[in-house]
Amino acid sequence: EAGVAQSPRYKIIEKRQSVAFWCNPISGHATLYWYQQILGQGPKLLIQFQNNGVVDDSQLPKDRFSAERLKGVDSTLKIQPAKLEDSAVYLCASSPQGEKGAMGHEQFFGPGTRLTVL
Amino acid sequence: LAKTTQPISMDSYEGQEVNITCSHNNIATNDYITWYQQFPSQGPRFIIQGYKTKVTNEVASLFIPADRKSSTLSLPRVSLSDTAVYYCLVGAPWTHYKLSFGAGTTVTVRA
Repeated sequence: EAGVAQSPRYKIIEKRQSVAFWCNPISGHATLYWYQQILGQGPKLLIQFQNNGVVDDSQLPKDRFSAERLKGVDSTLKIQPAKLEDSAVYLCASSPQGEKGAMGHEQFFGPGTRLTVL
Repeated sequence: LAKTTQPISMDSYEGQEVNITCSHNNIATNDYITWYQQFPSQGPRFIIQGYKTKVTNEVASLFIPADRKSSTLSLPRVSLSDTAVYYCLVGAPWTHYKLSFGAGTTVTVRA
């Protein structure tokens, strides 16, 4: 079974530039997550999709970050304009469950995109 | 979200058993306890999940007391390759398993 794919793996940009990350989840997985992981910290959930609808985006800085999941499959996370503090690894994860009452849960993570903002 | 507290770091030697305890005093009735492992430059990987008592798989065991206010991840006979960060999380299907990762526990296994 193919895992979660992310691209690019690395990106270096200057502050105030724009950047986009792409994620292709495991086939059939209804739920997709984007996390931001700053060096030395645990992953922080930015946004969670159930199919193509947003379940939670409470920690997404909406003035500069946006995300979409068209057709309920792959997803794009964009930052415009980037700030120095956006330097982090951006992780995408997917999971098969999503309905209320589903028992058990496992998120499958991609390798991440390491963003450096200069 | 239920907050979790776990040690920042632990050291061990090859062949020993490592036990990491996580506190989650305000765990909700519907919350499950899940542990993830993360190696440098990789995304976290699911290790084990439980609701109560004891769960065991080929990698680890998870012990959960009756009050569920804490849990202990047990890694039997660790090797150098078990050096990683281990995260304890709680979440429930009713919240679409919205998970909050803390700083995790850095486990260093020495030869």
